[in-house]
Amino acid sequence: EDKVVQSPLSLVVHEGDTVTLNCSYEVTNFRSLLWYKQEKKAPTFLFMLTSSGIEKKSGRLSSILDKKELFSILNITATQTGDSAVYLCAVLMEYGNKLVFGAGTILRVKS
Amino acid sequence: DAGVTQSPTHLIKTRGQQVTLRCSPKSGHDTVSWYQQALGQGPQFIFQYYEEEERQRGNFPDRFSGHQFPNYSSELNVNALLLGDSALYLCASSSWGRAGTYSDTQYFGPGTRLTVL
Repeated sequence: EDKVVQSPLSLVVHEGDTVTLNCSYEVTNFRSLLWYKQEKKAPTFLFMLTSSGIEKKSGRLSSILDKKELFSILNITATQTGDSAVYLCAVLMEYGNKLVFGAGTILRVKS
Repeated sequence: DAGVTQSPTHLIKTRGQQVTLRCSPKSGHDTVSWYQQALGQGPQFIFQYYEEEERQRGNFPDRFSGHQFPNYSSELNVNALLLGDSALYLCASSSWGRAGTYSDTQYFGPGTRLTVL
C-alpha cells in the first residue's frame, strides 16, 4: 500500500526560529513530490520536486528530495507568525496523477 | 486568472440524503481530481476526471460518483449520506494539455465543508 509519513505531527516555535519538516514515502510508480501549505481550507502549492539533490527555494522556504532514501525535507528559516499552518507532503503517482498525502505537520509560530 | 472555484462553501445534510458539489478548474486546465479530507487528516483521493470520463478512482464506494462537462467543470455526487461522509471536499485541477498548457501540479480550490447530521 502506498504510504506517505510526515514528522513531527506538530510543533511550536518562536518567531525567528528555523524549522525542518520531514516527509518519507513508500510508493509504487513515483512521479514527483509536492509540498502544500494549508491555512484554512485550500492547500496552497509550495514546491514540486522531481529530481534528487536539487534544492528548490522560495524566499525563506526551501525543500530537497532524496530519491534513494525516499524522503524530503521542507525548511523554513526566520519563521513568522504567518507561517503558522498545516504543511502537507504528497506524492504524485505515475499513470494517473493521483496524489497520496501524508497526515500533515501542524506548525504554530508564537510571537 | 481565475483559480479553482468550488460551490457551495458549506452544506448541512441528514443521513440518507444525496448531495452534489461543484468545481470549476483553473483557466487552461482540463483535469479535475476530487479529494476528501477528514478532520486532522491529509486529503484522500476519490477520483479524477479527464475528457469527461473517470480516469482513476480511489478506495471509495459507488455511492461516490462524478461527472465532467465539456467546459471541464465537474460535479461530485454522494448518495445515501452517512455520518462518516462529513468532511472537507477538495477539488484540484491540472492539465494534460488539451485546454492549454501541460501542468502536473494540482491546484486546489477552497473546498466544500459537508456536515451530515
